[in-house]
Amino acid sequence: DAMVIQNPRYQVTQFGKPVTLSCSQTLNHNVMYWYQQKSSQAPKLLFHYYDKDFNNEADTPDNFQSRRPNTSFCFLDIRSPGLGDAAMYLCATSRGQGLEPQHFGDGTRLSIL
Amino acid sequence: GQNIDQPTEMTATEGAIVQINCTYQTSGFNGLFWYQQHAGEAPTFLSYNVLDGLEEKGRFSSFLSRSKGYSYLLLKELQMKDSASYLCAVCYRNTGFQKLVFGTGTRLLVSP
Repeated sequence: DAMVIQNPRYQVTQFGKPVTLSCSQTLNHNVMYWYQQKSSQAPKLLFHYYDKDFNNEADTPDNFQSRRPNTSFCFLDIRSPGLGDAAMYLCATSRGQGLEPQHFGDGTRLSIL
Repeated sequence: GQNIDQPTEMTATEGAIVQINCTYQTSGFNGLFWYQQHAGEAPTFLSYNVLDGLEEKGRFSSFLSRSKGYSYLLLKELQMKDSASYLCAVCYRNTGFQKLVFGTGTRLLVSP
């Protein structure tokens, strides 16, 4: 049974049109992460939540925001997607920080028209 | 900054053994993880090392030398389904938080 669920698997949006990607987890993990992965590149951490504490990476564009309304759900909002934002977006969770394996969802592949 | 190097691509034959190397330069190092990622799918956790030495998990083993900034993933009795990318990821501490930074991955192709 899937424990980290991302919806939708594929998302198409128009240049500049806001889009929201969602992630839910049944693991009751404290930490949730959002990564961006472009073709043949490493997953790149955008931000993470430790419980309700939000932590943004220094090089994450202002265009990207996140919400975590409760333990189970986390959202990635892209306010004005550009062509360069087309990528796979991966949500991951871990029980705590650091030396805890991260569990990934299947990802949402975002295309920009 | 953090820097991780892995070979881009490797090929091997079914039933053989393959070693995928990873070197890193990082500050605040805490440990090293290996993930497997099939094309178009999410990474799945394979193993991690905190201390120097070898960790064995069935057909997969991972080795770490902290002094040399070096790790490898060893895959034995290769199967066709092992064709995937293998991502080396370093866990490090930054501004009070522990994070993972991933290498670009080694694409392994297993042939019959």
